[in-house]
Amino acid sequence: DAGVTQTPRHEVAEKGQTIILKCEPVSGHNDLFWYRQTKIQGLELLSYFRSKSLMEDGGAFKDRFKAEMLNSSFSTLKIQPTEPKDSAVYLCASSFTNTLYFGAGTRLSVL
Amino acid sequence: TQTVSQSDAHVTVFEGDSVELRCNYSYGGSIYLSWYIQHHGHGLQFLLKYYSGNPVVQGVNGFEAEFSKSDSSFHLRKASVHWSDSAVYFCAVSAAGANTGKLTFGHGTILRVHP
Repeated sequence: DAGVTQTPRHEVAEKGQTIILKCEPVSGHNDLFWYRQTKIQGLELLSYFRSKSLMEDGGAFKDRFKAEMLNSSFSTLKIQPTEPKDSAVYLCASSFTNTLYFGAGTRLSVL
Repeated sequence: TQTVSQSDAHVTVFEGDSVELRCNYSYGGSIYLSWYIQHHGHGLQFLLKYYSGNPVVQGVNGFEAEFSKSDSSFHLRKASVHWSDSAVYFCAVSAAGANTGKLTFGHGTILRVHP
């Protein structure tokens, strides 16, 4: 039974680069979430999809962050252009009946 | 709007001790309350949740949590901790009825268990 898969596990980017993070949710889950995790801010919701439709895009993250879900089994999060303050762990999760299943995350470092 | 408060940023105990991690919430309607655990370098993992019925819910690995409407609390407890319980614990709340995983998380409590 596959859980949520995120790739890559680690990403190092130069300031101004474009990076794309990938997520495969648990099969059959309708909801998919992207979170950013930092020590200061904790868990911040970036995007929320229900049945592939974007329900929320995280307000403050709109300008450089774009999440897409082209099919029910794959989602991407693009950050363009990256800034040093984007250094964080990016978590993808899918849900079934109010329970979230998280991937292991992608640790992004922007130099 | 839901809010979640975890008043203890750090809790340190010895192996075999009991522990209680505190969580208080605010929300006007019906809610789901849940706890998640995050080991270093991993994503969050579901521990338990409450919606209705018996206010004490059992989770994995001997954890339980008790809902109190009067205190607006959902504290997590374990009678005897093991060193492997060292992790960050997150309390979360979501609106009932929406049937989604759109949760509001607390800032987390770091639990350190000394052998």
